[in-house]
Formats: sequence, structure tokens, C-alpha cells
Amino acid sequence: DAGVIQSPRHEVTEMGQEVTLRCKPISGHNSLFWYRQTMMRGLELLIYFNNNVPIDDSGMPEDRFSAKMPNASFSTLKIQPSEPRDSAVYFCASSFGGPTGELFFGEGSRLTVL
Amino acid sequence: GIQVEQSPPDLILQEGANSTLRCNFSDSVNNLQWFHQNPWGQLINLFYIPSGTKQNGRLSATTVATERYSLLYISSSQTTDSGVYFCAVDRDSSYKLIFGSGTRLLVRP
Repeated sequence: DAGVIQSPRHEVTEMGQEVTLRCKPISGHNSLFWYRQTMMRGLELLIYFNNNVPIDDSGMPEDRFSAKMPNASFSTLKIQPSEPRDSAVYFCASSFGGPTGELFFGEGSRLTVL
Repeated sequence: GIQVEQSPPDLILQEGANSTLRCNFSDSVNNLQWFHQNPWGQLINLFYIPSGTKQNGRLSATTVATERYSLLYISSSQTTDSGVYFCAVDRDSSYKLIFGSGTRLLVRP
């Protein structure tokens, strides 16, 4: 049974470039979350989707960040333009049975913005 | 908002030893989960345990919701248990899991 799949695993880019991170949740899960992890701030929830609909994006740091979920099996997190302070590990996670279900994380996408 | 405190912050064990990790939370919760982040950065769900006791191999967890704490027991520790252990809670059936700052465990061979 495949887990949450994220790509790319590693991304190095230059300031100002567009970054797109991708996520495929576990089949049958109806809730999807994007988290960011840094040493300074720990794990932060960026945005939460339920049944493909964005429910809360209050954790998105600023307008440079956007997320979409066009269908139940795919989501993207886009940063445009990227800045060095966006460097972090971005995790996608999914759960079944609503937002308080057991949470399963992908392996993360490590982003470095030079 | 709800506060989540984990202790100890750091722990070093010799392989084969047992340990107990603690998670205290400041208010009633509807959801508590334990995660292990291994040295490669992968976050693995260990337990979904808003109350009661569960066991999975050498690991077990107990949550006493009325006293606002949860314990994670690791028995016969192995080097592969190294990493950071997080507890996360939410209240009022919201979706915003609040993560503790973690317990960093190092198991030496």
C-alpha cells in the first residue's frame, strides 16, 4: 500500500525562481495537509484541504505561497518568487475520516533557495 | 492556545535500555498522536491515542486524558529508534494539530 508520495525530494533553486512541490495522498484519504519544518519554528501547518476544498490557508506565510488540489489524488504547493527564507522541508500529509484522523506524512521535499 | 510540552528534550540510551517519554498538554484534547522522525527526516505515525493504552511491538503508549498527559514507552531500545519523537494534539475536533517540540533520542550500540 503506497504512502503519501512527494516530489521532488530535493530542490535547489535561486532566489526569485518559481518552485512547485507535488503531493499524491494515500488513496481514499479525504484530508490533505501541507506542513513546513524548520529548526527555528518546528512543524507549521500551512494549509488544509478537505475533499479537495481548501478549508484554512491561514498558515500560508504570504501571497507568494499558493496551493491547489485539482482532484483527490494530487496537490501542489507553489512558491513564486522564492526567497532564501523559504528554505525548509515541506511535508505533505493525509488522513482518512476527516481532519482529526490518523495522520500520515510523505517523505518531505527539502527546499534550498540560494 | 493549547500548550504541548515534551520531556525530556534530549535522551541518550545504551542499546537494550528502556525509556519513557512524556507529553503534557494544557487543555482537554480530542486527538493525540505520537510520531517518530528518523535521522533521514521521515515522519512516521506511531500511535493515534486520544485515551487509553496501545501497544505495537516494543513500543507502547498511554494517554490519561483527564490528567492531560501521554507517555510513550520504548523497551529494549535499538539504534534504529534514534531520532525525534513528537506528540501532537488538537482540541474541539479541529484539524490543527499542535506539535510539541519533541524529544531527541540517541541510542548507542
